[in-house]
Amino acid sequence: EPEVTQTPSHQVTQMGQEVILRCVPISNHLYFYWYRQILGQKVEFLVSFYNNEISEKSEIFDDQFSVERPDGSNFTLKIRSTKLEDSAMYFCASRRLAGRTYNEQFFGPGTRLTVL
Amino acid sequence: TQLLEQSPQFLSIQEGENLTVYCNSSSVFSSLQWYRQEPGEGPVLLVTVVTGGEVKKLKRLTFQFGDARKDSSLHITAAQPGDTGLYLCAGVRTNAGKSTFGDGTTLTVKP
Repeated sequence: EPEVTQTPSHQVTQMGQEVILRCVPISNHLYFYWYRQILGQKVEFLVSFYNNEISEKSEIFDDQFSVERPDGSNFTLKIRSTKLEDSAMYFCASRRLAGRTYNEQFFGPGTRLTVL
Repeated sequence: TQLLEQSPQFLSIQEGENLTVYCNSSSVFSSLQWYRQEPGEGPVLLVTVVTGGEVKKLKRLTFQFGDARKDSSLHITAAQPGDTGLYLCAGVRTNAGKSTFGDGTTLTVKP
């Protein structure tokens, strides 16, 4: 069964460093998302991406964040200068397309980002 | 702001008991998903409900979407220790839109 994959599973970085989190969405999906979950808190939406551009972003997704689909398979989240409060699980998700039948999002296993 | 409130936040029951988890909002959603999340892992989709009043069953789990598509419930019959975990509801306003998650219900089923 196709699934969303994410690498690395765990990333440790120093405050101020740049990190890139990688995701491979399900191959025939067109909508891509990043969410984060700070330990013990709810899953929060960061950004959605469709047709090679951001379709929606939250207040969390400030100038330090960017997303890119550099090729036909990868979807990346970059944090330019990490802060301590960026420590969280980051989940990538994908959705096939709009429409009643295919409106489920499927989530990847997550990348645990630890900023020291 | 679209808020989804889940209740209860924590639930501890004995094996064999029944339970219901509620997910409520003042917003209308085009669909609502229920997920189960294990520690350190991503949410795993259990079910999607789309139509107001819809009821879906997944073995001992029964999911219902409110008539007004603002609320949902998850009912587990004869809970088993394997049901232990974090249950999340998430609503979607438009078919391709973001998911808004509830805080989750941590269920513990004691043998």
